[in-house]
Amino acid sequence: QVTLRESGPALVKPTQTLTLTCSFSGFSLGTSGMCVSWVRQTPGKALEWLAMIDWEDDKYYTTALKTRLTISKDTANNQVVLTMTNMDPLDTATYYCARSHTSSWGLESWGQGTLVIVSS
Amino acid sequence: IVMTQSPATLSVSPGERATLSCRASQSVTSNLAWYQQKPGQPPRLLIYGASTRATGVPARFSGAGSGTEFTLTISSLQSEDFAVYYCQQYKNWPPLYTFGQGTKLE
Repeated sequence: QVTLRESGPALVKPTQTLTLTCSFSGFSLGTSGMCVSWVRQTPGKALEWLAMIDWEDDKYYTTALKTRLTISKDTANNQVVLTMTNMDPLDTATYYCARSHTSSWGLESWGQGTLVIVSS
Repeated sequence: IVMTQSPATLSVSPGERATLSCRASQSVTSNLAWYQQKPGQPPRLLIYGASTRATGVPARFSGAGSGTEFTLTISSLQSEDFAVYYCQQYKNWPPLYTFGQGTKLE
């Protein structure tokens, strides 16, 4: 059974750096074709893909936020970490991690999400 | 690539057929997925490759289209189908995903 779980601070101040961890089980990021993405959903419900890391440690970012995002993985411990610098109140959202595979590219398994509020 | 869904809200009755639309600002070939989201839950993958149902998705859900025009059809609405539906395009290389703004089925 595939499970993913996001963890991180619920509240960050403007200009701070956000660090989120995705802990997963039921698959390995060392398996060919496997990928993990981060997606956020604003209070208005819009979904925005942020970043992806694949089994070969290749990393991909949304163009709009590329300068603020870093994604990394710890294959042995089944974790993916996302950092976002210079947080702004507009970054308030629920942040999800999700698994995909290059055979289909659909985000087939999701965590429950973690709400991050940016406020002073 | 901008994804535009219509309508924003679709009001239908249980047992009826529902058709949701998604348009891409440029061709995405068949790189199109549909998701269902219920309150308090993450999105659930329904369709990928424009028309392939994901594992465990009931046959009443079907996707069609290619290029810039896509539809998701639910043949006979069940009570559990009332939710928000999102389309998403994915560019295979380099990977890039873009979501539509959603259609609320009520």
